Amino acid sequence: ETGVTQTPRHLVMGMTNKKSLKCEQHLGHNAMYWYKQSAKKPLELMFVYNFKEQTENNSVPSRFSPECPNSSHLFLHLHTLQPEDSALYLCASSQDRTNSYEQYFGPGTRLTVT
Amino acid sequence: AQTVTQSQPEMSVQEAETVTLSCTYDTSESNYYLFWYKQPPSRQMILVIRQEAYKQQNATENRFSVNFQKAAKSFSLKISDSQLGDTAMYFCAFLQYSGAGSYQLTFGKGTKLSVIP
Repeated sequence: ETGVTQTPRHLVMGMTNKKSLKCEQHLGHNAMYWYKQSAKKPLELMFVYNFKEQTENNSVPSRFSPECPNSSHLFLHLHTLQPEDSALYLCASSQDRTNSYEQYFGPGTRLTVT
Repeated sequence: AQTVTQSQPEMSVQEAETVTLSCTYDTSESNYYLFWYKQPPSRQMILVIRQEAYKQQNATENRFSVNFQKAAKSFSLKISDSQLGDTAMYFCAFLQYSGAGSYQLTFGKGTKLSVIP
């Protein structure tokens, strides 16, 4: 396993629920990323944090709310999701945003919205 | 916008044989990086091999090698002596400077490789 962990690994939630995904990296990296992986589609970059500051938001709906309290932790807060939001959510980290050529991925959270 | 195309959604190979996964990309830039990532079933995505565009020599990592054709914008992955543990989704990815000190990593849709005993 790499030094990026994600919890929970599986999550089933109703459309009115509020839940959070957690990512933690033990690599001393300063950049962290959230990706969405849907079947038969390329990985979609959602958010980027560099030194705890959000540097990119790729037109992600506001029902997804990221939080980066420090360089080692990244959260994705979920509320009033839609069934089409069901996917594998991957967290990744890299040394920093200007040196992101090698990203280390977590195992992902398999999210099902019912 | 950069695009990465993997034209083979699924492939299979006999154990110990060689298989080649194809990838093409589109860019107008001359400096960039290319990667192959492997995502085994229910396991984490890991980097298999990377290639810097300015290097003419093809990258090699043990049984994994690439055929980088810069003019053709092609970046194929060859797996020699395939093993059962090579069964996974393989993603081709392209990294390019996107300005303001940031790099954009773009992934293809992936190729599902099955190694058959």
